[in-house]
Amino acid sequence: AQSVTQPDIHITVSEGASLELRCNYSYGATPYLFWYVQSPGQGLQLLLKYFSGDTLVQGIKGFEAEFKRSQSSFNLRKPSVHWSDAAEYFCAVVGSYTGRRALTFGSGTRLQVQP
Amino acid sequence: GAGVSQSPSNKVTEKGKDVELRCDPISGHTALYWYRQSLGQGLEFLIYFQGNSAPDKSGLPSDRFSAERTGGSVSTLTIQRTQQEDSAVYLCASSLGTLSVAPDEQYFGPGTRLTVT
Repeated sequence: AQSVTQPDIHITVSEGASLELRCNYSYGATPYLFWYVQSPGQGLQLLLKYFSGDTLVQGIKGFEAEFKRSQSSFNLRKPSVHWSDAAEYFCAVVGSYTGRRALTFGSGTRLQVQP
Repeated sequence: GAGVSQSPSNKVTEKGKDVELRCDPISGHTALYWYRQSLGQGLEFLIYFQGNSAPDKSGLPSDRFSAERTGGSVSTLTIQRTQQEDSAVYLCASSLGTLSVAPDEQYFGPGTRLTVT
């Protein structure tokens, strides 16, 4: 079975600073990888996804993520954080060989943005 | 167009009572998922419907939980004899449900916050 680890429960950055949120997965092959964002009182919104091909993927709101097979990682990055980016971020996977379509989520990283 | 909607947005119930949570997926989406988000367990999968196929119930935590999907559209999640540990936000998602190898994007509703007192 696949699993996802987000080692950072809470991160605080200053507005305008760069951001990197860590995600490590465990799966016997390359899974399908996702990053979701959940703003207070809102549902989950897909930021970006990786299925295959170019290991650097671009998403919405200026986010990008890089898949590194050797490290089993899919870290999310943003060059310059805005106050509106304060939210909880979830990394998720779908196993590529299970036929099961449900997402397995990490525990989430809460991002706080200081002015 | 309209997104996934869920009702009620909040539900407070007494321990031992039954509750029903409703999900209206995006029109034309044949796949529907229920997830639960709680402080202790994070975001976890509950059940998955795909067209007319038998649902994947592998995530349901106990036989007190059940779900149905009528007419391939609206879904109801029922929790019988609620317990305090059932307190959580219940999220519904839908997707196109194509049979491609890669999974379709799941679109999430705002959730129902269930509080069991």
